[in-house]
Amino acid sequence: DIQMTQSPSSLSASVGDRVTITCRASQSISSYLNWYQQKPGKAPNLLIYAASSLQGGVPARFSGSGFGTDFTLTISSLEPEDFATYYCQQSYRTPLTFGGGTKVDIK
Amino acid sequence: QVQLQESGPGLVKPSQTLSLTCTVSGGSISSGTYYWNWIRQPAGKGLEWVGHVYASGSTDYNPSLKSRVAISVDTSKNQFSLEMKSVTAADTAVYYCVASGSFYGNWFDPWGQGTPVTVSS
Repeated sequence: DIQMTQSPSSLSASVGDRVTITCRASQSISSYLNWYQQKPGKAPNLLIYAASSLQGGVPARFSGSGFGTDFTLTISSLEPEDFATYYCQQSYRTPLTFGGGTKVDIK
Repeated sequence: QVQLQESGPGLVKPSQTLSLTCTVSGGSISSGTYYWNWIRQPAGKGLEWVGHVYASGSTDYNPSLKSRVAISVDTSKNQFSLEMKSVTAADTAVYYCVASGSFYGNWFDPWGQGTPVTVSS
């Protein structure tokens, strides 16, 4: 299985901060990397697909980058509604696997 | 875009079979546009892909669950289903039905709202 490792597992930030979350794959996955946001009690919501493509309706403050084994999700200026847990997921090979999540909370 | 809704018992006894159904609306399950997935999430933990089915009935499962899981599609009802046998407390989780595009390197979208399942006597 391809292991996905996210860091940090949690972070505290303020509204307006720039936030970067990293995701590392245990082997190269090209650009087959997706990012999701999950709020408490809700299903995850797709933010970024294919490493850097913004899903329709997702604010432009979210961006993704990376290729191979190392990827980042960046929120350019944190808004109150961005406090949530973020997951990366590889679609290079089954079994499809997720990172352990990064919880972003209010400082 | 299609919408998905899970249904099924919220409580299952240990060693019994968990059965869930996902009803798809806003599109035909047999269109070939999507893979139809189940993903689960224990309380306070991360996400685990259980497996998927295609309109043809072909399936792919997580090897960690493959011996206990079956996912099937009912095109007449526009539904797909999950059966997991010999459940234990470790199978307690919120179960999501999710669509993903029927192409290599796809992504999970959209998601159902999720249904909680507790395994307990």
